[in-house]
Amino acid sequence: DSGVTQTPKHLITATGQRVTLRCSPRSGDLSVYWYQQSLDQGLQFLIQYYNGEERAKGNILERFSAQQFPDLHSELNLSSLELGDSALYFCASSPTDRADYGYTFGSGTRLTVV
Amino acid sequence: DQQVKQNSPSLSVQEGRISILNCDYTNSMFDYFLWYKKYPAEGPTFLISISSIKDKNEDGRFTVFLNKSAKHLSLHIVPSQPGDSAVYFCAASEGADMRFGAGTRLTVKP
Repeated sequence: DSGVTQTPKHLITATGQRVTLRCSPRSGDLSVYWYQQSLDQGLQFLIQYYNGEERAKGNILERFSAQQFPDLHSELNLSSLELGDSALYFCASSPTDRADYGYTFGSGTRLTVV
Repeated sequence: DQQVKQNSPSLSVQEGRISILNCDYTNSMFDYFLWYKKYPAEGPTFLISISSIKDKNEDGRFTVFLNKSAKHLSLHIVPSQPGDSAVYFCAASEGADMRFGAGTRLTVKP
């Protein structure tokens, strides 16, 4: 157990639908990062939050949004889902807003869009 | 925009031999480099890192080498063990921005 909790572990939904992925960071970590891993692809950075504020944005689609709540958990909202959104979505956390100390990853949410 | 590249999707080595995983990057502003290991059905786990001010960092069987002029880093695993079989991701960061390579699947044969 890495200390980063992601729910649900698996999600199957239809095209056009909306889903919410949840992440609880490791205790004491203030930053939350979201990554997408499609088949045979590397980890694509989506977005970072630090202590409730958006800190960095990567290749996140406009149909996707995220937020970090006062208790530091984060949610990634994916809407108008397409088949190509099927992927593993990882959440990671770190103590600071820098990557120097490395991230702690959760075990991911596998999203399948049918 | 692939700022971090791992050109070998897979690598197979014999148990006890050296495994060398390679990574290239394009952004000269990256100041920290990391390697992550990923088993199936798990998230990536941090393995070893190196600051841009160093050229080598060692941790047990794992050594990371950084060649800034060539924008290249490598991970050496000596001796390789079957339990090292996993996907290895190279990552590079500048501040909060961390970019990952596509990963190399290492298979260590008994």
